[in-house]
Amino acid sequence: NAGVTQTPKFRVLKTGQSMTLLCAQDMNHEYMYWYRQDPGMGLRLIHYSVGEGTTAKGEVPDGYNVSRLKKQNFLLGLESAAPSQTSVYFCASRSVSYGGYTFGSGTRLTVV
Amino acid sequence: DQQVKQNSPSLSVQEGRISILNCDYTNSMFDYFLWYKKYPAEGPTFLISISSIKDKNEDGRFTVFLNKSAKHLSLHIVPSQPGDSAVYFCARGRGNDMRFGAGTRLTVKP
Repeated sequence: NAGVTQTPKFRVLKTGQSMTLLCAQDMNHEYMYWYRQDPGMGLRLIHYSVGEGTTAKGEVPDGYNVSRLKKQNFLLGLESAAPSQTSVYFCASRSVSYGGYTFGSGTRLTVV
Repeated sequence: DQQVKQNSPSLSVQEGRISILNCDYTNSMFDYFLWYKKYPAEGPTFLISISSIKDKNEDGRFTVFLNKSAKHLSLHIVPSQPGDSAVYFCARGRGNDMRFGAGTRLTVKP
């Protein structure tokens, strides 16, 4: 039972480069989320999805795009990376009926 | 707009003693509060929750207290164990609007 899997686990980007972070869940959850964690800031919601083909903005969406083409996958894209996007990114999912989130183990991204 | 605040970035306690982690919130709209625990290089895992219709919820060694008049909740761990050493996040909200505090790093010394 893998739960929520994030790839890659680590990545270093140069300013202006693009990349996609992949989140996959095998629990048939409807809802999926992307958070970033920064020192002293806790977890902040970037984007979320309430179902296949739907996405919505969270608290800090600027500079990111997302797609949910398949129910089990939620992709987070950075079109032109900036040093301010250096962070640890967490994906989470939950079912419709249960309020608790299941988190992945995170992706540590450094933009230089 | 930090709607959930954990003012203590770290806490150190002796094994067997009580750990008390605190959290304050600023918006009474949200009626559900949760605590998550995070080990290094892992994602947060759900620990315990409480609804605003209650003032206490207990699960084994973990108890969460909610003081609505003070807009304050706390997590008590009794007795504390070295394996409890982790970062603890409080969160409030329900559904898709979950807001997290900055976390408190708990160290339980043997």
